[in-house]
Amino acid sequence: DAGVIQSPRHEVTEMGQEVTLRCKPISGHNSLFWYRQTMMRGLELLIYFNNNVPIDDSGMPEDRFSAKMPNASFSTLKIQPSEPRDSAVYFCASSRQPFTGELFFGEGSRLTVL
Amino acid sequence: GENVEQHPSTLSVQEGDSAVIKCTYSDSASNYFPWYKQELGKRPQLIIDIRSNVGEKKDQRIAVTLNKTAKHFSLHITETQPEDSAVYFCAALSGNTGKLIFGQGTTLQVKP
Repeated sequence: DAGVIQSPRHEVTEMGQEVTLRCKPISGHNSLFWYRQTMMRGLELLIYFNNNVPIDDSGMPEDRFSAKMPNASFSTLKIQPSEPRDSAVYFCASSRQPFTGELFFGEGSRLTVL
Repeated sequence: GENVEQHPSTLSVQEGDSAVIKCTYSDSASNYFPWYKQELGKRPQLIIDIRSNVGEKKDQRIAVTLNKTAKHFSLHITETQPEDSAVYFCAALSGNTGKLIFGQGTTLQVKP
């Protein structure tokens, strides 16, 4: 089992640029979650999908953030335009079921916006 | 909305002592309470969990207790070792929304 795979692991970009983070969940998992981790705010749930459908995006900070899951094996989190306050570690996680299952986290994507 | 409060934010103990981390949650529909350990620069990983129909669960040196009436759950680590040093997160899963909400984390330092 390869686990949850995220890319890139590190991204440094300038303010105003578009950032795309990618995630491949564990095969057979039908729920996918995007979290953002900062020192000040801890682990914040941004959005989660069940069977490729967005269920709750109330944690997405603003319209600059968007997420898609075109199929069961791939999801993207896009920030356009990026701002310095978006600097954080973004984790993708997947689980077998949305309501009772353990979350398996990817290694995270560390984003720095200058 | 859903909220999980975690205390303390930092905890320093001597090797061999016990460590206790406490969490409270606001959503009465919460029915699953996992604990994650995150080492520096690594991903969070599940160490133990408890469901709402159980009051206590133990796995070797770690145990979790749940008081649904008080909306309170705790992590207990006995005979702490330096490798237990990490950030620990509690979380609560809402049975209504399916959202897993994390506490703010506790940085545990075990001094040799």
